[in-house]
Amino acid sequence: AQSVAQPEDQVNVAEGNPLTVKCTYSVSGNPYLFWYVQYPNRGLQFLLKYITGDNLVKGSYGFEAEFNKSQTSFHLKKPSALVSDSALYFCAVRDVGTYKYIFGTGTRLKVLA
Amino acid sequence: EPEVTQTPSHQVTQMGQEVILRCVPISNHLYFYWYRQILGQKVEFLVSFYNNEISEKSEIFDDQFSVERPDGSNFTLKIRSTKLEDSAMYFCASSEVQVYNSPLHFGNGTRLTVT
Repeated sequence: AQSVAQPEDQVNVAEGNPLTVKCTYSVSGNPYLFWYVQYPNRGLQFLLKYITGDNLVKGSYGFEAEFNKSQTSFHLKKPSALVSDSALYFCAVRDVGTYKYIFGTGTRLKVLA
Repeated sequence: EPEVTQTPSHQVTQMGQEVILRCVPISNHLYFYWYRQILGQKVEFLVSFYNNEISEKSEIFDDQFSVERPDGSNFTLKIRSTKLEDSAMYFCASSEVQVYNSPLHFGNGTRLTVT
């Protein structure tokens, strides 16, 4: 079965610094990977996806993610963090052959002013 | 931008009571989902629905749960006899087409509290 892991419960970063939120995956076949963000009392919002092609994927709000097949990782990055980026971030994988999307356990990002 | 809407935003019920959570997916979307989130953390798949039938369900989605699309717009989740452990945030989601690069669009959720 497909799965994703987010090894960090929380990431703290100073405003203006680059941020990385980590995700590793375990899939059979080609991975279909996604990042979502959740703000307080809101649903999950789609940020970006990797299907095939370029290993660096650009998404909403200045976020990007780097797909690394050898390390089975799909880390979320942003060159310069904003306080408003503080939220809960979820990595997800599409379960091949089913209609199901499997989510990681989430990483809380805190950007400090 | 079109949105998935969920009602109510908060539902409080007593153990053993039936609840119905309602969702209006985005109008041209064909695939519908229910997920739940406990303690603001893990997001768990419950069920997917397409063409008026369940496509897949998780082990959480037992006989106490059911889904229905009673008309062309609403998509409901019913919990027949609620338990304390059903307390969670329930999210409805939809997607336009069922291809591997199609993201889910989520509603803002219904917070279910079972007392």
